[in-house]
Amino acid sequence: DTEVTQTPKHLVMGMTNKKSLKCEQHMGHRAMYWYKQKAKKPPELMFVYSYEKLSINESVPSRFSPECPNSSLLNLHLHALQPEDSALYLCASSLGQGDEKLFFGSGTQLSVL
Amino acid sequence: EDQVTQSPEALRLQEGESSSLNCSYTVSGLRGLFWYRQDPGKGPEFLFTLYSAGEEKEKERLKATLTKKESFLHITAPKPEDSATYLCAVRRASGTYKYIFGTGTRLKVLA
Repeated sequence: DTEVTQTPKHLVMGMTNKKSLKCEQHMGHRAMYWYKQKAKKPPELMFVYSYEKLSINESVPSRFSPECPNSSLLNLHLHALQPEDSALYLCASSLGQGDEKLFFGSGTQLSVL
Repeated sequence: EDQVTQSPEALRLQEGESSSLNCSYTVSGLRGLFWYRQDPGKGPEFLFTLYSAGEEKEKERLKATLTKKESFLHITAPKPEDSATYLCAVRRASGTYKYIFGTGTRLKVLA
């Protein structure tokens, strides 16, 4: 199994809602990542987890809260988002944090109204 | 400052019309240069890693090359299914393991 699975594929939420994005991989990878991608722009790193511990936080606003319950799962909790947070949210994993090859999921297309 | 610039921004080719995409980079110590392909609404898919100047890698109709300042992705006799955005990224040899992505080249191959 060489897949990174993200759910949901699409999400529409209001600015007062609380929602969560989920990511799962069963490749034994110990590093997992959240990226944000706007249309026609490259992915922007948000968070990196290495061995289930938060390793990198790219100064992301606190309305985004990551969680890594175990080595296969990664969540992104969303609260009080702004319309400008609408984007494609991508999860990725790699064998280790220093391992070059990233495996990306198909993403969650988020719209904030 | 580390920087990755891709050109052209967009490219339209006829099926069978070979061409090259460029990725120019500035980084303090290169750990590796990476090419990804991204289809609309999907996550990037890994294509190649290049580590040192002079290195080349091939996969089907794609060939990636690396010099000290830039990388090329050559597409030979492209097919419509090669249409996608091609992203280039670099990683430093030390410090953060963060990827620095270019803005991509949107390739459209017409039948």
